[in-house]
Amino acid sequence: EVQLVESGGGLVQPGGSLRLSCAASGFTFSSYWMSWVRQAPGKGLEWVANIKQDGSEKYYVDSVKGRFTISRDNAKNSLYLQMNSLRAEDTAVYYCARCGAEGDYAINWGQGTLVTVSS
Amino acid sequence: SYELTQPPSVSVSPGQTARITCSGDALPKQYAYWYQQKPGQAPVLVIYKDSERPSGIPERFSGSSSGTTVTLTISGVQAEDEADYYCQSADSSGTPEVVFGGGTKLTVL
Repeated sequence: EVQLVESGGGLVQPGGSLRLSCAASGFTFSSYWMSWVRQAPGKGLEWVANIKQDGSEKYYVDSVKGRFTISRDNAKNSLYLQMNSLRAEDTAVYYCARCGAEGDYAINWGQGTLVTVSS
Repeated sequence: SYELTQPPSVSVSPGQTARITCSGDALPKQYAYWYQQKPGQAPVLVIYKDSERPSGIPERFSGSSSGTTVTLTISGVQAEDEADYYCQSADSSGTPEVVFGGGTKLTVL
């Protein structure tokens, strides 16, 4: 069974940093694109970033470019999102997702971790 | 990046057919995907590559595509189908930059 478990969320002040982690199991992690998708309270889904199997390609939504970094450790079956210069509008539940072959859709989702940016 | 447009809400009585549309200029060139999200839960993929259904998804869920519009059809709607539904596609530039529609709230009357 595919399992994706996010961690690392919490309350952070504007301008601060946070690192999210996603522990994957039940599939060959190194064979799949992975993504982060977020959902602000009461709002819709927003794709944040995705990363190729070997980490050689990474893509970001414009609003996080230069502030967020997606990475992975295939030896640890783990996905990460380093978030710097956080803003109030980054407040959301952040989901980790296993992607389809070309990285362009999410097959499975974790349960999410809440990030709150507030003073 | 581009936009995908969905109606904010659709209402249907149990047993009837619900159709949720999604429009976007890149849809003739890119596959569409559909996700169901119930309150407090993570999204679930219900349709991929316009019309394919993942294992475990009931047959009453189907997808179709025509030009710049894709449609999620739920036949014989059940109370448990009440949820938010999101369409999703990728940027037409060839990179896997994902775009979601704004979501449609399906209400089962």
